[in-house]
Amino acid sequence: TQLLEQSPQFLSIQEGENLTVYCNSSSVFSSLQWYRQEPGEGPVLLVTVVTGGEVKKLKRLTFQFGDARKDSSLHITAAQPGDTGLYLCAGAGGSRLTFGEGTQLTVNP
Amino acid sequence: DAGVIQSPRHEVTEMGQEVTLRCKPISGHNSLFWYRQTMMRGLELLIYFNNNVPIDDSGMPEDRFSAKMPNASFSTLKIQPSEPRDSAVYFCASSLGTLNTGELFFGEGSRLTVL
Repeated sequence: TQLLEQSPQFLSIQEGENLTVYCNSSSVFSSLQWYRQEPGEGPVLLVTVVTGGEVKKLKRLTFQFGDARKDSSLHITAAQPGDTGLYLCAGAGGSRLTFGEGTQLTVNP
Repeated sequence: DAGVIQSPRHEVTEMGQEVTLRCKPISGHNSLFWYRQTMMRGLELLIYFNNNVPIDDSGMPEDRFSAKMPNASFSTLKIQPSEPRDSAVYFCASSLGTLNTGELFFGEGSRLTVL
C-alpha cells in the first residue's frame, strides 16, 4: 500500500507570510498532483508534476517534485486569505491515485 | 461548461434507511470515481468505472454499499441499510482518460448524516 504523509496537518499564518507544505512517501510515483479544497466544495486540481526535480510555478505558488519522485513540496509566497483551504497531494503509481490526508491552511487577514 | 453534478448536496437520514447518491460526470469523460471523505480517514476511493464498467471496487466498505453506472452520464452510490459510521461527504469525480491516475474533476459532494 502506498502512503502519502502530508505535513504540517494544520497551519495558521498571517497574511503576507510565506509557507511550505510537504508531501512525503517511501514509494516512487509516476506523477504527483496537488489539489486545493475549499469548505463545502470538492478538491480542485492546481498542478501535476511528472519529472523528478521538476518545479512548476502558479502565480505565488511553487510546486516541486523530488528528484527520486517520492516527495513534493508546495511553497506559497506572501499568503493571502484567499489561499485558505485544504491542500491535498495525490500520487499516481501502481495503477492507483493515492491521496494524502491534507494540510489545512488558514491565512488570517 | 457544466462540471460534475451531484445530488443531493445534503442528506440526513436515520439508521437503517436506504440512501442513494447520484452523479452526472462531465460529458466526454471516460472514467468516474466515488470517494468518501472524513476527518479521520481523509479521501478514500470507494470504486471507479471506466467506460461505465466497474474496474476496482476494493474500496467499497462492505456489502451494504453498491454502485452502478447504467450509462455514460449517470452513476449512483447506494447504501442499504445505512449506519451512523457512514456519515461522511461523498464525492463523485470524473476523468478524461481511462487511467485511474489521471487528473480528477470533483463534484461539490453529498454530505450524508446518518442518525
